[in-house]
Amino acid sequence: GEDVEQSLFLSVREGDSSVINCTYTDSSSTYLYWYKQEPGAGLQLLTYIFSNMDMKQDQRLTVLLNKKDKHLSLRIADTQTGDSAIYFCAEDYKGRRALTFGSGTRLQVQP
Amino acid sequence: ETGVTQSPTHLIKTRGQQVTLRCSSQSGHNTVSWYQQALGQGPQFIFQYYREEENGRGNFPPRFSGLQFPNYSSELNVNALELDDSALYLCASSLEPSGQETQYFGPGTRLLVL
Repeated sequence: GEDVEQSLFLSVREGDSSVINCTYTDSSSTYLYWYKQEPGAGLQLLTYIFSNMDMKQDQRLTVLLNKKDKHLSLRIADTQTGDSAIYFCAEDYKGRRALTFGSGTRLQVQP
Repeated sequence: ETGVTQSPTHLIKTRGQQVTLRCSSQSGHNTVSWYQQALGQGPQFIFQYYREEENGRGNFPPRFSGLQFPNYSSELNVNALELDDSALYLCASSLEPSGQETQYFGPGTRLLVL
């Protein structure tokens, strides 16, 4: 079955780059997503990448996809204190919109 | 602003009771998916409704059921509540089949079962 794994915690200093990593198991994933969740809030879609792409850049966000290793990463340039949150990667198996989420990476940005 | 709304925002129930949670999809969206997010975990897919019919289900027992109405809003019903049902319940809407890749989430309903 589908499985998505993420490291639990990342701490960076303000202004540095953050890299959050994710691995997934299902090669039939159509889309791979990154969501942000702040305390007590719902999920905010940050960015996504289609499975036939290797990279996508969206302002401060860069997504890299290594299909061979089933590895996805999210790079946040010039990390700010407002970026402190939990980040979830998710895969969409065969485009069914039934997402499988990782357990989330808590990003802590120190001033 | 995603346009997906959920009610109520918070709810407290006791074990064995039944609960109904509501979701209004974003304007123009015809598909609603429900997720359960336990504390400290990622969301887990419960089921999806498309054109008023269940269109896929995750690993949840039959006491989790749903409805979708002609205006595409949706309800999640949980019978015989258990303590482990305490979680944030999220709904997400999308337009299918559209080829669009985005699914928008609502703010969630936080359910506490005592």
